[in-house]
Amino acid sequence: AAGVIQSPRHLIKEKRETATLKCYPIPRHDTVYWYQQGPGQDPQFLISFYEKMQSDKGSIPDRFSAQQFSDYHSELNMSSLELGDSALYFCASSFGRRTPRAGANVLTFGAGSRLTVL
Amino acid sequence: AQTVTQSQPEMSVQEAETVTLSCTYDTSESDYYLFWYKQPPSRQMILVIRQEAYKQQNATENRFSVNFQKAAKSFSLKISDSQLGDAAMYFCAYRSAEGAGTASKLTFGTGTRLQVTL
Repeated sequence: AAGVIQSPRHLIKEKRETATLKCYPIPRHDTVYWYQQGPGQDPQFLISFYEKMQSDKGSIPDRFSAQQFSDYHSELNMSSLELGDSALYFCASSFGRRTPRAGANVLTFGAGSRLTVL
Repeated sequence: AQTVTQSQPEMSVQEAETVTLSCTYDTSESDYYLFWYKQPPSRQMILVIRQEAYKQQNATENRFSVNFQKAAKSFSLKISDSQLGDAAMYFCAYRSAEGAGTASKLTFGTGTRLQVTL
């Protein structure tokens, strides 16, 4: 079965540089979530999109932006990178349709993109 | 805001034995979902089991079962007949079901690292 595809898997950047992470959800999934997991920490929610519109926003820095495109893939853009941005960035997808039990739909995670800022 | 607490940073179990991982949560909502995710050394986030709050029956998936105590806001995971492949970080997660619209984000606990010994 198709899974959530994230690219690149590994990325090394210098401070103050820019990075872009891509996420391709499971086919027919209309909702994408981005999470940041620092070393030894739990995943922190950044932002989510449903049907190409921002659905929810968490602890995403102003230096970061994201969007979901017409083919439902999503990109997370990170600018003015800082050492503290070094983390594993997860993308997850699910069905997010406006149904009473939409919350029961499972989030499927990608393998993550590891960003190292030097 | 909802919070998820995992009070056991590390647990150890012998192969073939049973272990229980604890999770408590705080919410004012009456309808929600609870999940256990497993993160092995590969860092992939893998769904282990899901519980819907309106269901009184505890969820079971093969060797994995939960003890869901809604009044106590407790959601523990029991792993029976532990195997070496069960060694991983286990995250408890909460997801709201209230309100119309898209499925909401997952809120994770801090995780419990499970070691499985011979």
